[in-house]
Amino acid sequence: DADVTQTPRNRITKTGKRIMLECSQTKGHDRMYWYRQDPGLGLRLIYYSFDVKDINKGEISDGYSVSRQAQAKFSLSLESAIPNQTALYFCATSQTGQSYEQYFGPGTRLTVT
Amino acid sequence: AQTVTQSQPEMSVQEAETVTLSCTYDTSESDYYLFWYKQPPSRQMILVIRQEAYKQQNATENRFSVNFQKAAKSFSLKISDSQLGDAAMYFCAYRSNAGKSTFGDGTTLTVKP
Repeated sequence: DADVTQTPRNRITKTGKRIMLECSQTKGHDRMYWYRQDPGLGLRLIYYSFDVKDINKGEISDGYSVSRQAQAKFSLSLESAIPNQTALYFCATSQTGQSYEQYFGPGTRLTVT
Repeated sequence: AQTVTQSQPEMSVQEAETVTLSCTYDTSESDYYLFWYKQPPSRQMILVIRQEAYKQQNATENRFSVNFQKAAKSFSLKISDSQLGDAAMYFCAYRSNAGKSTFGDGTTLTVKP
């Protein structure tokens, strides 16, 4: 079984809809991240969490919110989706003190029409 | 803020030959981590190799090696004996000691049979 899972893997939604992307991990890591990837570009950090009570904005947090429900779960929400949020979304985890190597989920392809 | 630049949007290599992918970064920190990730068409992010900035010795993983020049802020990836399965997009990533990552925009590598 995959260590970092994301649901859904693909989603098409309409402008103005609320949508939640979920991430779960079985690695026991304390740190979790949400990234966005646009075509031809690298990953950009949306939000990150270093433990359950710690939530931080990344470089592109506008239009997004997150919830760290447990150490193993980190959800990303788009309160009112817009077309320019169409992208590939990745969740990642890492463990404090272990060279900060990140482990990525398989990605969620989101299309907002 | 840190920046990561990959100046080669596309590269190609003949099977069994060697190719080098370039990466430069900008930072005022002295302690950090650098990574190369591979993203095949499956879109999964796969760690290829990592380098701790405090280590002078260049990291090596089988056919993959890096040339880390700390003073020049350069971190290139060399792939020896290229294989068809190496075809992918490659991302260079900088990880600060605080745990935040910055990614380059990627280099698409084509391997010709």
